[in-house]
Amino acid sequence: GQNIDQPTEMTATEGAIVQINCTYQTSGFNGLFWYQQHAGEAPTFLSYNVLDGLEEKGRFSSFLSRSKGYSYLLLKELQMKDSASYLCASMDSNYQLIWGAGTKLIIKP
Amino acid sequence: GAVVSQHPSRVICKSGTSVKIECRSLDFQATTMFWYRQFPKQSLMLMATSNEGSKATYEQGVEKDKFLINHASLTLSTLTVTSAHPEDSSFYICSAREGAGGYEKLFFGSGTQLSVL
Repeated sequence: GQNIDQPTEMTATEGAIVQINCTYQTSGFNGLFWYQQHAGEAPTFLSYNVLDGLEEKGRFSSFLSRSKGYSYLLLKELQMKDSASYLCASMDSNYQLIWGAGTKLIIKP
Repeated sequence: GAVVSQHPSRVICKSGTSVKIECRSLDFQATTMFWYRQFPKQSLMLMATSNEGSKATYEQGVEKDKFLINHASLTLSTLTVTSAHPEDSSFYICSAREGAGGYEKLFFGSGTQLSVL
């Protein structure tokens, strides 16, 4: 079956670094996405990885290991506005997005 | 980035009534739109894929007669929840894909919180 696993909730301190992990099992693979979703709002696109390695985009970086079925989202210099849910999604062989349940990130001062 | 407008943002209705949710791409043409529902602390669940001018493709387990989808133009798709019941209460989100691009060009509406009494 298809499955996406990510932690339910994480807590971090303002100014610190946090890594949110995601493991996936899908029928075929056409890329791994990370989205940010604030409560009651729509998800917004953060990153897309299809090749192994680290993609850096400002304070946010995303890593992919296809052989391990593993990705992480790294957030640096955390700000209070980063408090949100972070959704991991894998695109399968039919180009359908399989979504994880999301990781709620709580930032404390 | 591109904007997808979803309306209404919140609706409360009585059991047995029908509710229509609109999803509009404001500054691009969306040949494909997607409808999701999301329960608290759970992932987005794809309900159906809507292509302009053709019938929607529903995911397994989603009742097409209950969740009517119409994608009449390149900028508008509607989801009608017919004869709504309390178990239909959920957060419904639409997304639209800009052109034939990859999923980096997938933009989401702001969602509709449906509460059925």
